Amino acid sequence: NAGVMQNPRHLVRRRGQEARLRCSPMKGHSHVYWYRQLPEEGLKFMVYLQKENIIDESGMPKERFSAEFPKEGPSILRIQQVVRGDSAAYFCASSPRQGNTEAFFGQGTRLTVV
Amino acid sequence: AQSVAQPEDQVNVAEGNPLTVKCTYSVSGNPYLFWYVQYPNRGLQFLLKYITGDNLVKGSYGFEAEFNKSQTSFHLKKPSALVSDSALYFCAVRDEDNQGGKLIFGQGTELSVKP
Repeated sequence: NAGVMQNPRHLVRRRGQEARLRCSPMKGHSHVYWYRQLPEEGLKFMVYLQKENIIDESGMPKERFSAEFPKEGPSILRIQQVVRGDSAAYFCASSPRQGNTEAFFGQGTRLTVV
Repeated sequence: AQSVAQPEDQVNVAEGNPLTVKCTYSVSGNPYLFWYVQYPNRGLQFLLKYITGDNLVKGSYGFEAEFNKSQTSFHLKKPSALVSDSALYFCAVRDEDNQGGKLIFGQGTELSVKP
């Protein structure tokens, strides 16, 4: 059973470009979470999705950021018109359900905006 | 609102000595508590969790954690530290009443184990 797969591992974008980060959850997991980690900081929650639904996007910036988890295919975190402050590590996690189960994390995508 | 605090940014321990990484939490309902470890340039790895039952929880790599409801704490412990335990440790909470289901993380504690 493959773990949570994120790609690309490293992504370099120029200011103003779009960044697309992909996350394939573990098999059988229908809950996906995205987190952002800035250097020397902890993990900040961004968005929680189930298949075809956004459950909680309270941590998502109101502009330029969007996320989806379609019925088929990976979850996508999309950042439009990137700025230098978007440079960070973005982690995806998945779990089979809510409640008392742990979430499993991918290796992350390190976004660098130049 | 639920929250987690890790009061120490860094913990330094000599190899072979016991280690403790502190965590306190605040939730409105029953807490589900987790510890994760992050090695450089890697994702988070699950160590252990407290759901209910015995207050002392055993996890991976010889780690354990003690749940204390009256002190709202969930400290991570290991009887004898290894140099390879050096990493960033995160405590997290999931509130049973939080329908969102997301994990809320502390800011992390850097553990350094010296030979």
